[in-house]
Parts: sequence; structure tokens; C-alpha cells
Amino acid sequence: GAGVSQTPSNKVTEKGKYVELRCDPISGHTALYWYRQSLGQGPEFLIYFQGTGAADDSGLPNDRFFAVRPEGSVSTLKIQRTERGDSAMYLCASSPDKYYGYTFGSGTRLTVV
Amino acid sequence: AQSVSQHNHHVILSEAASLELGCNYSYGGTVNLFWYVQYPGQHLQLLLKYFSGDPLVKGIKGFEAEFIKSKFSFNLRKPSVQWSDTAEYFCAVRGNTDKLIFGTGTRLQVFP
Repeated sequence: GAGVSQTPSNKVTEKGKYVELRCDPISGHTALYWYRQSLGQGPEFLIYFQGTGAADDSGLPNDRFFAVRPEGSVSTLKIQRTERGDSAMYLCASSPDKYYGYTFGSGTRLTVV
Repeated sequence: AQSVSQHNHHVILSEAASLELGCNYSYGGTVNLFWYVQYPGQHLQLLLKYFSGDPLVKGIKGFEAEFIKSKFSFNLRKPSVQWSDTAEYFCAVRGNTDKLIFGTGTRLQVFP
């Protein structure tokens, strides 16, 4: 596609539930990044994929968070046993390689009630 | 560890005023530097980036930034702001890892 697509744009879930957030990067972009942005803060790094493999997952806050990119294109961020503190905007970005800036999607606003 | 500081949290200007937003980073090695903008209701967009060469970088919409290595700074400037520049601005740095580290952002409000 022309840009990075994230679905859903909004997700409201109950505490304790499982959620999946999807990112469809720009075609041909090998690098894919997930960030989380809370109100009044800058984007906070979660995980980075180069192709199918997670090259750096040091930003995942705990083992409730997991992400996959099985075919090197679409990625899914998975959050188990959601907590109210997980409420934030989840951003996905892609890049042709690490030497370029990122192109961001519009994000998924997650609200845990 | 790499980090980015944006000291101006909220800036209010009148149209035609000059703008300078501060950005300082902490990393002693080679860096790539970026400024992103987020207009109300829109996604983050790249304004400009510095990788190497001329430390004065020109971006879109009349913005520019100057990399001063000795000061670990990459301040964003625009000679004359417009109401349409109202947005949140984020500085970001990439050092020896492949990820961008973002600052907390500066909210710019421009009044007609």
C-alpha cells in the first residue's frame, strides 16, 4: 500500500482480556518497528523486526507483550492479560533499511477499562 | 544509553515570529538525527534528518535544523511560522542501535 496501515484504529477492551494489533507496512520495507505513545510523551520503543526476525525486543515491558512477523510483511502485536496501564497509542513504522527515517502509521488507540 | 532532551515543552508564538526548538542528545558516537512533526489528528511525519555532511539540514515546509556536535544539539528552526505549523514536534536520535529514541516532544501553538 501507499502507507503504513494499522488496524483497528481504536480498541476498547476489558482488563484481563487478550488483544491483537495489526500493522501492514509499506510494501518492500524490510524493517518494522513498534512504539507506544502515552499522552504527553514521545514514542517509546517496543520491538524492531528486520525481515521475519525480531532484531531487538528490548523495549517490550514484560512477557505479556509479544510480536510476530511470520512472513516478513504484516506484523501483529499481541498483549495478554491486559492492564489499565497498557492504555496508550500503539504506533507501527516501517523503513527500507536502518539508514532511512521511518514512515509511521496512524496508530491504534488501545483503551483498557 | 542514548537519550534525547527537548527542554521546551510548550511554545506559543504569533504568526510570522521566528521559531527555535531545542534538542539535545546524549551519545558519544556517530549519530543520525531526526525531527518529526505530528499535526492534530494526524500521524507522525518526517520533517528532516541528518546523517552526515553539511550540518545545516533543510527540510519540508521551510524548516531547518543545525547539528552542532560539540554541543550534542540538533535544534529546529523556522524564520517565520504560520498558523498551520501548530503541531507537536519530536526530536529523535539513532546511535549504535537500529532504533530511534524520541524526546518527549514540544507542543507548538501559533496564533494568527
